[in-house]
Amino acid sequence: EADIYQTPRYLVIGTGKKITLECSQTMGHDKMYWYQQDPGMELHLIHYSYGVNSTEKGDLSSESTVSRIRTEHFPLTLESARPSHTSQYLCASSEWGQGTEAFFGQGTRLTVV
Amino acid sequence: AQRVTQPEKLLSVFKGAPVELKCNYSYSGSPELFWYVQYSRQRLQLLLRHISRESIKGFTADLNKGETSFHLKKPFAQEEDSAMYYCALRLDSNYQLIWGAGTKLIIKP
Repeated sequence: EADIYQTPRYLVIGTGKKITLECSQTMGHDKMYWYQQDPGMELHLIHYSYGVNSTEKGDLSSESTVSRIRTEHFPLTLESARPSHTSQYLCASSEWGQGTEAFFGQGTRLTVV
Repeated sequence: AQRVTQPEKLLSVFKGAPVELKCNYSYSGSPELFWYVQYSRQRLQLLLRHISRESIKGFTADLNKGETSFHLKKPFAQEEDSAMYYCALRLDSNYQLIWGAGTKLIIKP
């Protein structure tokens, strides 16, 4: 079944650790996104990609990096996690075209202690 | 600059009462508006889009370009409508989505 998957769902790590949040979609979508969302707040775009080998920074400044080597895979990496990175991270994908919807993963709730 | 405003963080109404969740946008281009919903412990999902002019789960929303609004309405609220609702604006320049802060809707029995 076509879907978008994020792992892990929950992650608690220590300051200074390197982490990678995984996002994969089986929908064949070219466009993928990473959002950061604090509880009860709006979504902030931190990275997006239009396709393989395309990555762009979003509106919210982030110390994370992303890669897009394969269409279906869009991992997000933090080289050195800090408590300020504690948040929920949502991955999404969509097709091109007017009216197309964004499909979201379940999210990864990251806590840096 | 483009912006989406949802003035109510929390809206609480009784079952059977009408519901209106407000959304205003600021954008100089051609707006494309969406409402997304997140039920408890579920992922964020599309509720409706202005281009479709459809009614989903009894909800409707009309794009009013004069008032730059895209309010979400339902004539008779049901308990299962309790959720977080987000209004989003898609930019025609780069297809990015600009999000409102969300409104938590609580339907009281």
